[in-house]
Amino acid sequence: NAGVMQNPRHLVRRRGQEARLRCSPMKGHSHVYWYRQLPEEGLKFMVYLQKENIIDESGMPKERFSAEFPKEGPSILRIQQVVRGDSAAYFCASSPPRGANEQFFGPGTRLTVL
Amino acid sequence: SQQGEEDPQALSIQEGENATMNCSYKTSINNLQWYRQNSGRGLVHLILIRSNEREKHSGRLRVTLDTSKKSSSLLITASRAADTASYFCASQKETSGSRLTFGEGTQLTVNP
Repeated sequence: NAGVMQNPRHLVRRRGQEARLRCSPMKGHSHVYWYRQLPEEGLKFMVYLQKENIIDESGMPKERFSAEFPKEGPSILRIQQVVRGDSAAYFCASSPPRGANEQFFGPGTRLTVL
Repeated sequence: SQQGEEDPQALSIQEGENATMNCSYKTSINNLQWYRQNSGRGLVHLILIRSNEREKHSGRLRVTLDTSKKSSSLLITASRAADTASYFCASQKETSGSRLTFGEGTQLTVNP
């Protein structure tokens, strides 16, 4: 049973470009979470999704950021018109639909904005 | 909601010694979890303690929870060089399907 998959592992973008980060949850998991980690800091919640639904996006910046988890395929975190302050590690986690509190984390995508 | 706080921010010990890390949180919780992160990698779940529990053990790990003080501690006994990593506490307000609120982490270095 493969763990949470994220790609790419490293992404370099110039200011103003778009970044697309992908996350495939563990098999059987229908809950996906995105977190951002700035250097030397803890993880900060961004968004929580279930298949085709955004459940909690209270941690998402108001502009340029969006997330989706379609019926088929991975969850996507999209950052439009990236700025240097978007440089961070972005982690995806998944959990099963019921009864479990533990979240299983992927290896992260390290975004560098030049 | 505000993030939790952990102390110390950094801890350096010798192999064989015990390491204790503390965590405080702000709101009422359903459970508190501890995660480990090796440099540049994803997080690994270590242990979960529910709000109605006071102490929990898993191998060389011992976690305590004091809900009246909104604090938790993680004790690693007989530390090894391989325990070198960052350790984060994460609180969860509700049962399954809610966000984790992470502390700022403790960087543990175990010297051989």
